[in-house]
Amino acid sequence: GAGVSQSPSNKVTEKGKDVELRCDPISGHTALYWYRQSLGQGLEFLIYFQGNSAPDKSGLPSDRFSAERTGGSVSTLTIQRTQQEDSAVYLCASSSGTGGVERRVRSYNEQFFGPGTRLTVL
Amino acid sequence: ELKVEQNPLFLSMQEGKNYTIYCNYSTTSDRLYWYRQDPGKSLESLFVLLSNGAVKQEGRLMASLDTKARLSTLHITAAVHDLSATYFCAVERNSGYALNFGKGTSLLVTP
Repeated sequence: GAGVSQSPSNKVTEKGKDVELRCDPISGHTALYWYRQSLGQGLEFLIYFQGNSAPDKSGLPSDRFSAERTGGSVSTLTIQRTQQEDSAVYLCASSSGTGGVERRVRSYNEQFFGPGTRLTVL
Repeated sequence: ELKVEQNPLFLSMQEGKNYTIYCNYSTTSDRLYWYRQDPGKSLESLFVLLSNGAVKQEGRLMASLDTKARLSTLHITAAVHDLSATYFCAVERNSGYALNFGKGTSLLVTP
């Protein structure tokens, strides 16, 4: 498809259950990001992938959160033992990548966002 | 830690009026992005500002960046109802590629 896709669009789960959220980036985009949007916290960064590796996981709120990316494409965000405070919209974004190591030569990083997964934990 | 502050957070304005949304950030960065979000929708990229003094315009919206003041502005000219949405500024971290977002400005344009 032309844009970033995410599934499911809505997920309702019971507290304590595990959930998996999926993101399909724009074809050819090497960088992939997960963000979370909630009323109280706004938009928060969770994790960034370049290819299949995750050089920045600093935004993951706890060890119940993990993510992986395979084949440099699809990514899955897993939340174990969900809590009510995990309720939010989880947004995935992709960008064409960061090119060279030196900041001054890397291409800019316009991120394109998917429609999000609305997670409700009861 | 990179902090991004937007103001105002809520803005109600009449059609035809002009207004400016401000985005301040706390540490050096030369990459700033503006996004629009309609209710229940995802984020749509509006502007990418890559250097000090950058100015971009699209229709009734104009964005600028002053990296020395760590300030970006989004100026709305002769507002129309279709501009009603939430506008976010986002600053790229120097230590990586993730974006830190402001809390958003919820804009309502009324007749």
